[in-house]
Parts: sequence; structure tokens; C-alpha cells
Amino acid sequence: AQKVTQAQTEISVVEKEDVTLDCVYETRDTTYYLFWYKQPPSGELVFLIRRNSFDEQNEISGRYSWNFQKSTSSFNFTITASQVVDSAVYFCALSEELTVANNLFFGTGTRLTVIP
Amino acid sequence: EAQVTQNPRYLITVTGKKLTVTCSQNMNHEYMSWYRQDPGLGLRQIYYSMNVEVTDKGDVPEGYKVSRKEKRNFPLILESPSPNQTSLYFCASSWGGSNQPQHFGDGTRLSIL
Repeated sequence: AQKVTQAQTEISVVEKEDVTLDCVYETRDTTYYLFWYKQPPSGELVFLIRRNSFDEQNEISGRYSWNFQKSTSSFNFTITASQVVDSAVYFCALSEELTVANNLFFGTGTRLTVIP
Repeated sequence: EAQVTQNPRYLITVTGKKLTVTCSQNMNHEYMSWYRQDPGLGLRQIYYSMNVEVTDKGDVPEGYKVSRKEKRNFPLILESPSPNQTSLYFCASSWGGSNQPQHFGDGTRLSIL
């Protein structure tokens, strides 16, 4: 069963618009961790944020904000006032405390295109 | 600068010709992993290592080998590559287990003809 679902395959917005990237996860562990990574056109993976399952406080970092809701198993990512440099593929990922393998389960990614 | 370094970045080769993708990290991380990225599938773990001489299979280990003789290095070996191993490969490292963010290399794009 897929553990992380990113239903939006591609999103296009015009510069300065706000955009929300959805992430829904599935796990039986009570302790788990959620991550967002950015993959710009150059291809590398850039870590953006980590959230643990006991901390549902939303987080804001500049134009980025994250909304974690255990009740709906979602960990959504909002970019405010989008810029062209935000164009990238964004991955949501899950790791489980009980997994020895230190495995990150990735969603299939959302490609965001910001049009100038 | 803290980094994970993979080589080569790009490789085109032929079926059956053994190849090795090297990975080295300078952060003294215990954990290292290899992932492959395929369109529509995200990233999937191939192998992981918790420490020197400790390695184990991830979700898609068939056709791959790894070794961890030194803490900093974690090479990925394709003994007899096949076209279905054409993919983008990432090496990653982290301090600890599941609660730590993984730091990724820049990726290696392999094409097996």
C-alpha cells in the first residue's frame, strides 16, 4: 500500500500567486516523521522541513508554511507569493520509527511551474 | 563544506558491463542509503547501511550490490546491468535513524542500452 500520496502531479501558477501542495500519508506507527524535499531543475534534492508525529504545530519559514493535521493524515505545503525560483518538483516523504531500514517513503512528487 | 558526493554524474553503458557508482560523505554520518528515482514512482530505497560492514536490502534490491568498508564510502555496484536499471540514482546519508533528515548527493543518471 502506498504510504505517501501526492495527488497533484503538476501545478502551474502565475508569479505572486499562493499555491498549496497536498500530501496525504498512511502509517500504523504512532511515532513517525514527515519531510518535504525540493528538487529544482538541476536535479539535486534539497531538504525543506521535518515534522514528528507528536508536533502538530504549523510552521512558517519565510514564504513557506506547512500544515500538519493528524486527523486527516495530511501534511500540506503552502508557498505564498510564489516566485519563478520556486519552480521545482516537490516531494513529501514519511519515515517510521519502527523501521530499521531508515527508509524514506516518498510520494510521487508534484511538479510546480511558476510562470513569470 | 558538508556534502554527499556521487560519481559519475552521468553514465551511458551497455547491458552486462559491470559498473560502480561511488558515494562519499564527509559528515561522519552513520546511516547511508541508495535510492532510485523513476517517473511516476518517486524515490525508492535500494540498499541501506547503518554502519561499517552493516548493510541490508531496501525495497528494490534486485540487481544491485553494496559495500560499506569505510564509514564515509558506500558504493553501489551493478554486476550485470540491464535496461530496466536505467534510472536516476541518489545516495543519502544521515546522523541517525528515521527521525533525521537525509542529505542527498546530486544524483547519477544511468542509461543502460
